[in-house]
Amino acid sequence: GEQVEQRPPHLSVREGDSAIIICTYTDSATAYFSWYKQEAGAGLQLLMSVLSNVDRKEEQGLTVLLNKKDKRLSLNLTAAHPGDSAVYFCAVTNMGYKLTFGTGTSLLVDP
Amino acid sequence: EAAVTQSPRNKVTVTGGNVTLSCRQTNSHNYMYWYRQDTGHGLRLIHYSYGAGNLQIGDVPDGYKATRTTQEDFFLLLELASPSQTSLYFCASSSREGQDTQYFGPGTRLLVL
Repeated sequence: GEQVEQRPPHLSVREGDSAIIICTYTDSATAYFSWYKQEAGAGLQLLMSVLSNVDRKEEQGLTVLLNKKDKRLSLNLTAAHPGDSAVYFCAVTNMGYKLTFGTGTSLLVDP
Repeated sequence: EAAVTQSPRNKVTVTGGNVTLSCRQTNSHNYMYWYRQDTGHGLRLIHYSYGAGNLQIGDVPDGYKATRTTQEDFFLLLELASPSQTSLYFCASSSREGQDTQYFGPGTRLLVL
């Protein structure tokens, strides 16, 4: 089955810096990619999702890059602020099937 | 916005105890999911359902039962709880499987002594 690795497990940046989180996956049939954010004491909330025909998507200071050749998905917070401090998860699926989540990245943004 | 609620929010039980975790969604979603979240593992799917009376096995089902009594309500049952089931449990719902946003509840923290 699908295997997803996420790194780094912990990331600390200063306010205004960029933060990059990377996931690699194994199933070449994977076709739908998502990033979720989990704030302290809460469930996960969807940040952004892309289909496999999209290489790059930008929304509100977030950039998702998809490299299908290397089976790599990344999330870039271009100018992080303290409110971005949370745990981030990637999630992938080969369509019509369950999501497989990465192991999570705990991001801390220092003011 | 989608609403998923879970109860209880915290639970302590002893080894061999009987625990029921409850989840309710008011989104008219067909799919509901139970996950456990553990450090180093992310979220792992225990069971899921695509409608009342339906149950599908996830990736880590051992030691867990589930029941979907209505479209809104999905329960996770631990009939003989073990310390290895100490975890943070999340319920989620979605209108379709796979490529669809999952809406998560706030989680239930379970401690098995």
